[in-house]
Amino acid sequence: RKEVEQDPGPFNVPEGATVAFNCTYSNSASQSFFWYRQDCRKEPKLLMSVYSSGNEDGRFTAQLNRASQYISLLIRDSKLSDSATYLCVVRAAGNKLTFGGGTRVLVKP
Amino acid sequence: SQTIHQWPATLVQPVGSPLSLECTVEGTSNPNLYWYRQAAGRGLQLLFYSVGIGQISSEVPQNLSASRPQDRQFILSSKKLLLSDSGFYLCAWSVGFDGGELFFGEGSRLTVL
Repeated sequence: RKEVEQDPGPFNVPEGATVAFNCTYSNSASQSFFWYRQDCRKEPKLLMSVYSSGNEDGRFTAQLNRASQYISLLIRDSKLSDSATYLCVVRAAGNKLTFGGGTRVLVKP
Repeated sequence: SQTIHQWPATLVQPVGSPLSLECTVEGTSNPNLYWYRQAAGRGLQLLFYSVGIGQISSEVPQNLSASRPQDRQFILSSKKLLLSDSGFYLCAWSVGFDGGELFFGEGSRLTVL
């Protein structure tokens, strides 16, 4: 089983719609969680950290479910510019970051 | 402000040829430095990391090597490239090893023929 797993997609989303996707992790000792965004053929950039209580940044909402060992990302009112690959990143205490394979999102007019 | 730059951006190399990718960070001191590789459709794989000058930790056995000759310079090398070395190579830095954000360079796309 992979340490961090994501549905590769693509998720085809009409502009203005809501899309949500999850990321599961296998190490129950994982402590830090992040979502990175990667545009085609570009470097990843931090989108948001994921806190235990869940957090929101504009149209983006991240949730953490420790019991089921997954994190989620929800995008509301999708924009064409939201088209990208979203990378789930997990770190266990003292360890390096482990990246998921990414979920590709395509927002269409 | 801090910046990270890596080069070359794109290269096509024959099997068996050497490789050198260079990465520099500006605007910060004693950063943690990383080399990742991203194969098509796959997650980022950590290749090397460094917490200081001359200190290199290898994560995956392979025919690649890394060096950190200066505080803010990180170099990825190979003496003889393999076809399987093709991929998107990303240099990154962070403030602390358990810190939050990784800042990535623009990436170097390597095709080995």
